Amino acid sequence: DVKVTQSSRYLVKRTGEKVFLECVQDMDHENMFWYRQDPGLGLRLIYFSYDVKMKEKGDIPEGYSVSREKKERFSLILESASTNQTSMYLCASSVPTGGSSYNSPLHFGNGTRLTVT
Amino acid sequence: EDQVTQSPEALRLQEGESSSLNCSYTVSGLRGLFWYRQDPGKGPEFLFTLYSAGEEKEKERLKATLTKKESFLHITAPKPEDSATYLCAVYSGGYQKVTFGIGTKLQVIP
Repeated sequence: DVKVTQSSRYLVKRTGEKVFLECVQDMDHENMFWYRQDPGLGLRLIYFSYDVKMKEKGDIPEGYSVSREKKERFSLILESASTNQTSMYLCASSVPTGGSSYNSPLHFGNGTRLTVT
Repeated sequence: EDQVTQSPEALRLQEGESSSLNCSYTVSGLRGLFWYRQDPGKGPEFLFTLYSAGEEKEKERLKATLTKKESFLHITAPKPEDSATYLCAVYSGGYQKVTFGIGTKLQVIP
């Protein structure tokens, strides 16, 4: 069964702190994604990665960076947390190795609810 | 720019009262349309992928259909456990550039 695991369900951080959100998938998927979800705005793509050490900016990358050192792990980094980064963060993966993006849905973790005070 | 609009924003049904959720989309070259279910405090759970107009997919009480401009998620004789937010998303190519709608929050009352 498909499994995407996010390391924390809830996180409270102070303004200016450096924050790491971790995500691990056990499906040998090539693509991994970070989204944030806010009421009234839906899911917005922050960054994605289609291979180890590769990354691409999504729609709202400002204030974030990512790291993908191993295929199964994708980290989201908030360099200096701000209150407007309070949100639900969702990690997703897709595309089995050798598969096609055309018919591969995203598989999501259960999210990390981050509060920045 | 791809756009996805879902309606209604919220829907309240009595148990057994069938209805449909709408997803209208504007995209330059649809490669796939996805439906997800999201329970409170959890990540979206994949339900269906539709690729071309006229296609239909079914799962238990849910049936998804697709036209050239919109998709419908039909819910037949819903039960309280069908209560959730249903998300629609479109994929228009590239490295899985997926655009999500805001969702329809469905509440089924016993």
